[in-house]
Amino acid sequence: AQSVTQLGSHVSVSEGALVLLRCNYSSSVPPYLFWYVQYPNQGLQLLLKYTTGATLVKGINGFEAEFKKSETSFHLTKPSAHMSDAAEYFCAVKFYNQGGKLIFGQGTELSVKP
Amino acid sequence: DAGVTQSPTHLIKTRGQQVTLRCSPISGHKSVSWYQQVLGQGPQFIFQYYEKEERGRGNFPDRFSARQFPNYSSELNVNALLLGDSALYLCASSPAEYEQYFGPGTRLTVT
Repeated sequence: AQSVTQLGSHVSVSEGALVLLRCNYSSSVPPYLFWYVQYPNQGLQLLLKYTTGATLVKGINGFEAEFKKSETSFHLTKPSAHMSDAAEYFCAVKFYNQGGKLIFGQGTELSVKP
Repeated sequence: DAGVTQSPTHLIKTRGQQVTLRCSPISGHKSVSWYQQVLGQGPQFIFQYYEKEERGRGNFPDRFSARQFPNYSSELNVNALLLGDSALYLCASSPAEYEQYFGPGTRLTVT
C-alpha cells in the first residue's frame, strides 16, 4: 500500500544546530513530495515541493530537502536551527493515480533549545 | 492576495447534530480539498472538488458530504455527529496539479 513514514515523532535540537527530519514513502512509482509546517492552532504552510527535475529543492525559511529515489526518501534539513523553527512538520505525498489526494505522515514535532 | 479562508473558526456541537463548514479558495484556484486532522495525527483526506465536480473521496462514511459552488467556494457537511468527529477540519485550494494551500481550519468539538 502507498504510505508515508516520518521517523521520530519528536526531534529536539539546540539553536544553531543542524535540523534533520526524516521522511520515507512506500511506492513503486515516485510520487510528488511535499513538506508542510504547522504552528500551534494554525493551518499548514507549504515549505517546499518536489515534482520533477532537480532532486535537491530549496524552500522557505532556509529549509531544503533532497529526493533520493533509491532510498525512497525525502528528508528535510536546515543547517542552523532558529527558535522560530519550533513547530510540527508534515511530509506529504501525492501519487499520480489518486487525483488531488495528499497522503500525510504522522508528523514530527521539532523543539529548539536555546 | 487573500489566502484560503474558512468559517467558522471554532464550533461546538452535540452528538447527533449536523454541521456545515465553509471554505473560500485563493482567487483563481478551481480545486478545493477537505481534510480532517485529529489531535496528534496528520491530516486525512476527505474530498476533492474541481470545477464543481467531485474528483476524489477518502475513506469516510456517508455522513460526510461536500459541494462546490460556481464561485469555487465549498461546503463540508457532517450529519449525525459522533464524538470521534471532533477534529480540526482543513480546507486546501490548488492552482494546478501539484501543491495545495491550506486555510487556518475549523476546530470542531462534539460533546
